[in-house]
Amino acid sequence: GAVVSQHPSWVICKSGTSVKIECRSLDFQATTMFWYRQFPKQSLMLMATSNEGSKATYEQGVEKDKFLINHASLTLSTLTVTSAHPEDSSFYICSASEQFSYNSPLHFGNGTRLTVT
Amino acid sequence: KQEVTQIPAALSVPEGENLVLNCSFTDSAIYNLQWFRQDPGKGLTSLLLIQSSQREQTSGRLNASLDKSSGRSTLYIAASQPGDSATYLCAVIIDYQLIWGAGTKLIIKP
Repeated sequence: GAVVSQHPSWVICKSGTSVKIECRSLDFQATTMFWYRQFPKQSLMLMATSNEGSKATYEQGVEKDKFLINHASLTLSTLTVTSAHPEDSSFYICSASEQFSYNSPLHFGNGTRLTVT
Repeated sequence: KQEVTQIPAALSVPEGENLVLNCSFTDSAIYNLQWFRQDPGKGLTSLLLIQSSQREQTSGRLNASLDKSSGRSTLYIAASQPGDSATYLCAVIIDYQLIWGAGTKLIIKP
């Protein structure tokens, strides 16, 4: 079946540094990718939707200058957390879709645990 | 290895009926379990979150139960409406991983 690889699975960084998270579709072309974050004991929250070759659409309240999303190819989307702070510590997960349609299955990465010290 | 299974894969029912969606998991050591829906052309919408210490959560016409010992969760939808048509996904969190079921595609016929 279709596989979405998310890397790294966990990362620890110092406050003020930037961290890049990669989301790759290994055996299909993903025209659309979604990025989510989840705080402990809270639901998954959609951060942004990215379509290959165009700018990402951010959900209300998500800082686009802080969470840079690039979807430069049909198999790779990246999320960069810039100037990370401890409050950015969270669980980030991506998902990918071959088509932006009802019948297109959604495939998920296993998530990245970010800890900012 | 944790595996999450959702049955049925697809379900079509007339409007107004009550229905149950099933989610089963193989490892009871979960942090929490969440139910989501995916509407056509959109990302996930979180419906209900059940902590591992809880047995039930309710939101409007939705009720989700969790039985860790048997590795099961159900999502009950009362008085179904055409707007409930979507794909419903459950996911369990263990350690730092999110393990998803494949989803149940629900169609409510007017």
